[in-house]
Amino acid sequence: AQSVSQHNHHVILSEAASLELGCNYSYGGTVNLFWYVQYPGQHLQLLLKYFSGDPLVKGIKGFEAEFIKSKFSFNLRKPSVQWSDTAEYFCAVNLRGGADGLTFGKGTHLIIQP
Amino acid sequence: EAGVTQSPTHLIKTRGQQATLRCSPISGHTSVYWYQQALGLGLQFLLWYDEGEERNRGNFPPRFSGRQFPNYSSELNVNALELEDSALYLCASSLLGQNTEAFFGQGTRLTVV
Repeated sequence: AQSVSQHNHHVILSEAASLELGCNYSYGGTVNLFWYVQYPGQHLQLLLKYFSGDPLVKGIKGFEAEFIKSKFSFNLRKPSVQWSDTAEYFCAVNLRGGADGLTFGKGTHLIIQP
Repeated sequence: EAGVTQSPTHLIKTRGQQATLRCSPISGHTSVYWYQQALGLGLQFLLWYDEGEERNRGNFPPRFSGRQFPNYSSELNVNALELEDSALYLCASSLLGQNTEAFFGQGTRLTVV
């Protein structure tokens, strides 16, 4: 069965700390990969996406993610977090060819302490 | 340009009733997806519609159903409501294709009492 695992459900960091959120997927086929963010009281927004090409992708607000095919991973990183990064982060995957909807991980609740 | 819009924002129903949730996609998008975001369970894929047809459905019972209209808007119907159906229901739209992203609405908060 297709699945997406996010390793950390709750993460608390201080401002300026570095961030890495883990995401692993189990899918039978070529995939598209996404990270979405949900700020308090707001709708889900796309942070970044990987379809093909350079496995290191850069998104909005200084976020980046690296696709490592051999590890079935797509970890999200940011070198220095800000208080405004406090949010819920979701990793998502779908099959290249789009024959299904996005499968999401359970999310990581990130709290940045000032 | 308007984003994905959902109505109502909040909905309170009693157990056994039916709920109808509505979604208008971004102009030009033909695909509409429905997700359930229940506390502690993350986002679960419910249904995918494109060009008026149901293309795929997630692991939900048949009392979760929907349809897509000629203008690509969509309805999600939940029959015989149960307390566990209380959740945020999210609609997303996208262009149909291999490399497309989904854009989400604000959601409808359904509370079953």
